[in-house]
Formats: sequence, structure tokens, C-alpha cells
Amino acid sequence: GAGVSQSPRYKVAKRGQDVALRCDPISGHVSLFWYQQALGQGPEFLTYFQNEAQLDKSGLPSDRFFAERPEGSVSTLKIQRTQQEDSAVYLCASSRTGEPGYTFGSGTRLTVV
Amino acid sequence: RKEVEQDPGPFNVPEGATVAFNCTYSNSASQSFFWYRQDCRKEPKLLMSVYSSGNEDGRFTAQLNRASQYISLLIRDSKLSDSATYLCVVTLSSNTGKLIFGQGTTLQVKP
Repeated sequence: GAGVSQSPRYKVAKRGQDVALRCDPISGHVSLFWYQQALGQGPEFLTYFQNEAQLDKSGLPSDRFFAERPEGSVSTLKIQRTQQEDSAVYLCASSRTGEPGYTFGSGTRLTVV
Repeated sequence: RKEVEQDPGPFNVPEGATVAFNCTYSNSASQSFFWYRQDCRKEPKLLMSVYSSGNEDGRFTAQLNRASQYISLLIRDSKLSDSATYLCVVTLSSNTGKLIFGQGTTLQVKP
């Protein structure tokens, strides 16, 4: 596609519910990143994929967070047993070679109630 | 201490004003530097890269001082459309492209 596509655009989850957020990167983009942006803050790095390999997951805040990219294209960020502090915008970005000039998707706004 | 620090503002300026944003970073191993722009409820978009020699793009000028670990963005002749949050961004390694963002500085340009 023309840009990075994320779905759903908005998600409301009850505390304790599991959620799955999808990212469809630009076709041919090797690198894929997930970021978490809390209200009033800059995006915080969560994890990085190069093709299907998850090369850096140092930003995942707890073992409730899990990301995958099994075929090196679409990626899913899963959050288990959601907590209120998980409420944030989750941004996905992709690039061809891992160079920093990459494209962000519009994000998924997660609200945990 | 945050790795990238910015004054969150908000900066409220009249149209036509010149405004400057500053940013400091803590890791001397930082390799690449950028300013991103983020409109309300939108995704961040690359505004410009920042080089030690300084660089200019129209009304925007970015400067990097590696010795002081300091980055700046100057906007001349502010327009209403410049109202946004400006994010200072660094990378530690060009291999992964992992971006480290500051909190962002909010600019509101008023008529």
C-alpha cells in the first residue's frame, strides 16, 4: 500500500482483556518498529523487526507484551491482561533498510477501562 | 534523567515571529539527529535531519552541537500552520534505526 496501515484505529478494552493490534507496513520495507506514546509524551520504543526476526525487544514494558512478524510483512502487537497504564497510542513504523527516515502509521489508540 | 530532554512549552507566539526550540541528549554515542513534527492526534512526520554543520530548509534551521550535546530548531516568520508539537529525536546506532524521542515542544502560532 501507499503507507503504513494500522488497525483498529481505536480500541477500548476492559481491564484484564487481551488485545491484538495490527500493522501492515509499506510493501518491501524490511524494518518495522513499534512505539508506545502516552498522552503528552514522545513515542517510546517497544520493539524492532528486520524481516521476520525480532532483533530488539528491549522496550517491551512487561511480559504481557508480545510482538510477532511471522512472514516478514504484517506485524501484530499483542497485550495480554491489559491494565489501565497500557492506555496509549501504539504507533508502527517501517523503513527499507533500518535507516531512521521511516514512515509512521496513524496509530491505534488503546483505552483500557 | 531522560535520554532526550525538551522544554514541553507551550510556546505561544504571534504570526511572523521567530521561535527557537532547544533539546539536549545524554548519550555521547548518539549518531543521528532529527526533528519530527506531530500534529494533534496524528503520527509523527520527519521535518528535517540535523547536521553538525547546520542545515536550513526554507524557514527552518537546525543546528547540532556535539560537544554540548545540544540540538536546536529555529523557525522564522511563523505561520498558523506551524502550530504542532516538535519532537527532538536521536539514534544511538545507524544499524537499527531505533529512534529515541524527546517529550516534544508544543508550538501555538496565533493570528
